[in-house]
Amino acid sequence: AQSVAQPEDQVNVAEGNPLTVKCTYSVSGNPYLFWYVQYPNRGLQFLLKYITGDNLVKGSYGFEAEFNKSQTSFHLKKPSALVSDSALYFCAVRDTNYGQNFVFGPGTRLSVLP
Amino acid sequence: DSGVTQTPKHLITATGQRVTLRCSPRSGDLSVYWYQQSLDQGLQFLIQYYNGEERAKGNILERFSAQQFPDLHSELNLSSLELGDSALYFCASSGGGTGFEQYFGPGTRLTVT
Repeated sequence: AQSVAQPEDQVNVAEGNPLTVKCTYSVSGNPYLFWYVQYPNRGLQFLLKYITGDNLVKGSYGFEAEFNKSQTSFHLKKPSALVSDSALYFCAVRDTNYGQNFVFGPGTRLSVLP
Repeated sequence: DSGVTQTPKHLITATGQRVTLRCSPRSGDLSVYWYQQSLDQGLQFLIQYYNGEERAKGNILERFSAQQFPDLHSELNLSSLELGDSALYFCASSGGGTGFEQYFGPGTRLTVT
């Protein structure tokens, strides 16, 4: 079965500092990996995805993520955090052996402090 | 704006009642997904439809059902409501391939009193 872990419930970072939100996954086939962001009282917004190819993928709002197959990780990163990045971040995986189901992680709340 | 619309935005109802949530996918998207988001359960996948047919089922209770109509809009029916059903319900849509990301609607906040 496929699963996603986000080991940190909360990440705090100072504005202007780099940020990392961690995600690890478990699949039996090949993973398709996604990051979403949720602002208060809003739906989830797609940030970026890894399907195949370059392990470093770039997405919206200056975010990027690095796929590491040996560590089964897909950490979200940004070189310089903004206060407006404060939100709830979800990692999701789709296992190619399990059709089109998405499995979402529990979410990590990012707080960027001014 | 994701292009996915959901109605109503808010719904308040009593225990034991039945409600219907509606979702219109992005233009051209054939897949519709329903999710439940509650504070203690996170984002739970309920069910997926593809071009009118049920494609995958997640943690959906027997009291809940869904369907996708020929015009591709979808409805989620929740019956015999309990206090624990209070949550945000999201609809998402995507293209047909497995590499396609999902686009989420703004959600329906259901409060059962």
